[in-house]
This record gives sequence, C-alpha cells and structure tokens, in this order.
Amino acid sequence: GAGVSQTPSNKVTEKGKYVELRCDPISGHTALYWYRQSLGQGPEFLIYFQGTGAADDSGLPNDRFFAVRPEGSVSTLKIQRTERGDSAVYLCASSSMAGTGIYEQYFGPGTRLTVT
Amino acid sequence: AQTVTQSQPEMSVQEAETVTLSCTYDTSESDYYLFWYKQPPSRQMILVIRQEAYKQQNATENRFSVNFQKAAKSFSLKISDSQLGDAAMYFCAYRSADKLIFGTGTRLQVFP
Repeated sequence: GAGVSQTPSNKVTEKGKYVELRCDPISGHTALYWYRQSLGQGPEFLIYFQGTGAADDSGLPNDRFFAVRPEGSVSTLKIQRTERGDSAVYLCASSSMAGTGIYEQYFGPGTRLTVT
Repeated sequence: AQTVTQSQPEMSVQEAETVTLSCTYDTSESDYYLFWYKQPPSRQMILVIRQEAYKQQNATENRFSVNFQKAAKSFSLKISDSQLGDAAMYFCAYRSADKLIFGTGTRLQVFP
C-alpha cells in the first residue's frame, strides 16, 4: 500500500471490555512496531516484530496486552479487560530494515482508544 | 537506559524567521541514530531529519538542519524561513537498535 494504515481510527470502549487494533504496514516491510502515545507525551515503544515473530516485547505494560502478526504482514494489538489508563493513541510503524542502520520507520495515523 | 529530554514544551516563531528546538539525550552507547519527527494534528509522525552519531557533519534537509554535539549529547533542530505549515508537535528520538525512544515533544506555533 501507499502507507501504513490503522483501523479503526477511533475506538470507544467500556472498562473491562476487549479490543483489537489493526495495523497494515507498507507492502514488503518486514519490521513492524507498536507504540503508545498518552496525552501530552511522546510515543512509547510497546513491541517490535521481525517477520512473524516478536523480536522485542519489552514495552508491553502487562499481560493484558498481546500482539500478533501471523503472516508477517498485518498485525493486531489486543487488549484484554481494558482500563481507563489504557486510553491513548496507539501508533503503528513499519520499516524495510531492522537492527542498526539509519533506516526510517514509517508511521500510521494511529488509533485513538478511549476507555470509559 | 537511554533517555531523551526536550525542555521546551512550547515555542513560537514569526513566519519567515528562524527557530531552534532543543533536545538532549543520555546514553552510554557510542553507535546510535537521532531523529526529529513532526506530528501535525492528523497524528501521523513524519520524519523531518536524521543523524548518525558517527558522522561529525550536521545533517541538513532543505530548511531544516541540526546542531549535533556528541560530547554534550545535544541534538537541536533549526528551522529556517519558518512557514505556517511548520506548525506542529516536534519530537526528538533516539535509536540504537530497533525501538525509538522519544522525548515529550515541543509544540511549535508559527505566527503570520
């Protein structure tokens, strides 16, 4: 595709519910990243995929958060038993390379999650 | 752990003037990469400029340039001939391996 796309653009859910956020990376990009941006803050790293496997999930805040990328393209971030503190913009990025190097991570427009 | 600090929550500049946004970082690594991203209200992060730590020459992209001081761990962004479209949040970011570490951002206002 032309760029990284994320769906939905906005999601409102009730506390305790389960949500799924989808990311479609740029075609051919092997690396995919999820970040979370709380109000007034910079994005914070959650998880990084190289192909189908999670290469680094050190940023996931707890076991309510889980992400998959079963075919090495589309990724889904899953949040169980949502809490009001999960409200944030969830950003996805992809890149054609990984590891060291001056390569660019291309970002999607994000999904704004609001937990009421 | 690496950290990135942007000490200016807000900055303003007159159209056609020059403005400098500050960024400092802390790391014990010698090989890393630094970036400035722009985030307009549409939320999409757009890469403005990037710098490899091993390069002494400051990066330049049209009206955007950086002042990279490795010993001082400083990476400021200079925007020349500011335009109304430059108004946005600007984030400084650090990367050594894969993940980006961002600062808290600087909101830039541009006045006509």
